[in-house]
Amino acid sequence: GAVVSQHPSWVICKSGTSVKIECRSLDFQATTMFWYRQFPKQSLMLMATSNEGSKATYEQGVEKDKFLINHASLTLSTLTVTSAHPEDSSFYICSADSRADTQYFGPGTRLTVL
Amino acid sequence: AQRVTQPEKLLSVFKGAPVELKCNYSYSGSPELFWYVQYSRQRLQLLLRHISRESIKGFTADLNKGETSFHLKKPFAQEEDSAMYYCALSGGSNYKLTFGKGTLLTVNP
Repeated sequence: GAVVSQHPSWVICKSGTSVKIECRSLDFQATTMFWYRQFPKQSLMLMATSNEGSKATYEQGVEKDKFLINHASLTLSTLTVTSAHPEDSSFYICSADSRADTQYFGPGTRLTVL
Repeated sequence: AQRVTQPEKLLSVFKGAPVELKCNYSYSGSPELFWYVQYSRQRLQLLLRHISRESIKGFTADLNKGETSFHLKKPFAQEEDSAMYYCALSGGSNYKLTFGKGTLLTVNP
């Protein structure tokens, strides 16, 4: 139980285009989902907290107009990287709370912006 | 502000040796501490949490509020324990996790 999927697992795009990443909780409902970014050989940095039906809460330094988050249902949250640039290339990971105190992580999405 | 410190970036031990991965935290309230593990080419997964007070795969961790530590221990390391280990802290009502930088454990045969 408590499986979280992400799609796509990897994506390559041209600079200036937008990319959407999906995060789904497959066997449970997640009131809250989290989006992280992980640079090579570094730890996870929380980008934003996404609550179903409300606006996401972004961490300091994360541009909300750059990283659009939508949490339309209890099993789906999306992260859209708008007008992507090479510096946005990274590993993006989502997690979902199966209850109020445990996060289960997706496998991650590797984004490469050319 | 909440902060998690894992002082060792790399830790290498031989099979059968004891292993301790250090984690110290800074948080003004009452924290909840976790250890997550990431095996090669796999997703991050929960190893254990302090409120459960359980042993998973032979690993244990005790929350020491006086020393603000949550070190992960295993008496006899196995090769399959080789992985990246992250200590994480959750505080407040929003259940956000703050991660340490991680420790790469290598268990040599």
